[in-house]
Amino acid sequence: NAGVTQTPKFQVLKTGQSMTLQCAQDMNHNSMYWYRQDPGMGLRLIYYSASEGTTDKGEVPNGYNVSRLNKREFSLRLESAAPSQTSVYFCASRDISGGGNTEAFFGQGTRLTVV
Amino acid sequence: GENVEQHPSTLSVQEGDSAVIKCTYSDSASNYFPWYKQELGKRPQLIIDIRSNVGEKKDQRIAVTLNKTAKHFSLHITETQPEDSAVYFCAALDPLSSGSARQLTFGSGTQLTVLP
Repeated sequence: NAGVTQTPKFQVLKTGQSMTLQCAQDMNHNSMYWYRQDPGMGLRLIYYSASEGTTDKGEVPNGYNVSRLNKREFSLRLESAAPSQTSVYFCASRDISGGGNTEAFFGQGTRLTVV
Repeated sequence: GENVEQHPSTLSVQEGDSAVIKCTYSDSASNYFPWYKQELGKRPQLIIDIRSNVGEKKDQRIAVTLNKTAKHFSLHITETQPEDSAVYFCAALDPLSSGSARQLTFGSGTQLTVLP
């Protein structure tokens, strides 16, 4: 049982390049999330997916797109990277059945630098 | 949506002393309040949570208190040890996300340093 696995762990991009962050969970959770973490700003929600086939914008969606490929996988794409997207990205999943008062499990994070 | 404020942003304590981190939230309908610990270079992990029908919850050296009237909740760590050094995040379940993905709104984090 690996939990939440995201790749890559580190990435350096040039401004304007594109890339996709991959995330997979093996806990049979319905809901998956992408956060970015910046110093002094906590974890801010980029996009989320309540269930397979649905995605919604979070607090800071501009410059990103997502795909919920199946129940296990939720990817985050940067179409044209900008220095402002330099951050640590975390994928998370939760079981929201029974009201949603449940723990969020996080991946190990991706440290992205855009130069 | 929900807004969570967390204080202080940094906290240094001597080993063996207690540490208290406080959070306030904006929406009185919020009913789930978890705390996460993030060690340097690691992922956030849940350490304790509390639901709105409970005022206090303890787990060994860690406790969380909730005051729904004042809309604030606190993390208390007693007998601190060097391994408690980490960033701690509070969170609240956004009631406006009900029926969707039940989003958690996080505070900005507290860097706790336990000095030997």
